[in-house]
Amino acid sequence: GESVGLHLPTLSVQEGDNSIINCAYSNSASDYFIWYKQESGKGPQFIIDIRSNMDKRQGQRVTVLLNKTVKHLSLQIAATQPGDSAVYFCAERTGGFKTIFGAGTRLFVKA
Amino acid sequence: TGVTQSPTHLIKTRGQQVTLSCSPISGHRSVSWYQQTPGQGLQFLFEYFSETQRNKGNFPGRFSGRQFSNSRSEMNVSTLELGDSALYLCASSLEQPGTEAFFGQGTRLTVV
Repeated sequence: GESVGLHLPTLSVQEGDNSIINCAYSNSASDYFIWYKQESGKGPQFIIDIRSNMDKRQGQRVTVLLNKTVKHLSLQIAATQPGDSAVYFCAERTGGFKTIFGAGTRLFVKA
Repeated sequence: TGVTQSPTHLIKTRGQQVTLSCSPISGHRSVSWYQQTPGQGLQFLFEYFSETQRNKGNFPGRFSGRQFSNSRSEMNVSTLELGDSALYLCASSLEQPGTEAFFGQGTRLTVV
């Protein structure tokens, strides 16, 4: 099957700090990007998306940045809370009705 | 209501076959299936829209699926192997896959 990466990096942050989760995507032709959050025992949950004609999009406490030049996507979480602890996945839509997920980053929030 | 998958857990023996079910959110016409394992992450299996498979991932022919007129979808795995043990996730969206897609809780398949 297709996937991006086999290792699961981990980010540990203090409660109240800002978190930045990074993702390198693979296809320069991808036109749509999504961030998902997956808590233990649950399916991935949509957080925020961005289209390739934008470079920044903000939601509630979250911001997604897209740098198409270096094929890089980031998710910023402001004032991180214990409930933000989860695995975060970036995903790219490559066209042809297929969405490819990154390997994921595990976020630990220390109280 | 959200995306509903059944069963939630399943144990099968090598060589058997299995059918998993997914009911998308009402009004959603696109259903995608993914396999999630610790070693390989989330991998795309296939996507259906209006009863037609629009794209397929790099899985062997033992993995198949279909979509019904009410947008409900099933996936089937024949001749199960130990390596098929995984969490199988279904996601639904209005039109394009991934566009504000909503995932079900998944079906945990264990092959023994």
